[in-house]
Amino acid sequence: QGRLVQSGAEVKKPGASVKVSCKASGYTFTRHYMHWIRQAPGQGLEWMGIINLSGGATSYAQKFQDRLSMTRDTSASTVYMELSSLKSEDTAVYYCARKNNAFDIWGQGTKVTVSS
Amino acid sequence: DIQMTQSPSSLSASVGGRVSVTCRASQDISNSLAWYQQTPGKAPKLLVYAASRLESGVPSRFSGSGSGTDFTLTINSLQPEDFASYYCQQYYSTPETFGQGTKLEIK
Repeated sequence: QGRLVQSGAEVKKPGASVKVSCKASGYTFTRHYMHWIRQAPGQGLEWMGIINLSGGATSYAQKFQDRLSMTRDTSASTVYMELSSLKSEDTAVYYCARKNNAFDIWGQGTKVTVSS
Repeated sequence: DIQMTQSPSSLSASVGGRVSVTCRASQDISNSLAWYQQTPGKAPKLLVYAASRLESGVPSRFSGSGSGTDFTLTINSLQPEDFASYYCQQYYSTPETFGQGTKLEIK
């Protein structure tokens, strides 16, 4: 059926970077694209970007273009999301989600807190 | 970017009742529309994809309809576990945008 397990919560200072991992199991890793979505406290869902797990091509939302990087390690069935130049507004729960028609499998979420 | 306008932002209903949530896209998205349920502290859960197809394991009291720009999620015979937040999402084109969400509360 499939499962996504994300890395643990992070606390970062403004200007720092954060790297969140998402390990897939239970299905063929490269068969589906992976997306990242975030949710600020009390807010809705915001799409950040997509990575093709087969070839590694990425596409990011315009607002993150210059500070977001998504990579994958196919040998470890793991996807990484790195966000740099963090601001307090980046405080949110970050989710990875498998695309299969829609987002059918989600990670449990990683809380990232940006605070001085 | 395609804008998704979801309404209402909140509503209250009774156990056993019926509710509908609507979602309007700013342009034609065919049937590339999904609905998710989210409870506090949890990841969203896929309910409906392709506007009207129920995800495996989702109770039949949930149903989706619509195409083009106007879509509806209906929940019949509300159960206590249905009181949660609901989001629509278009996957017709990137960026894949979400509606603002609808919080369903117990009356």
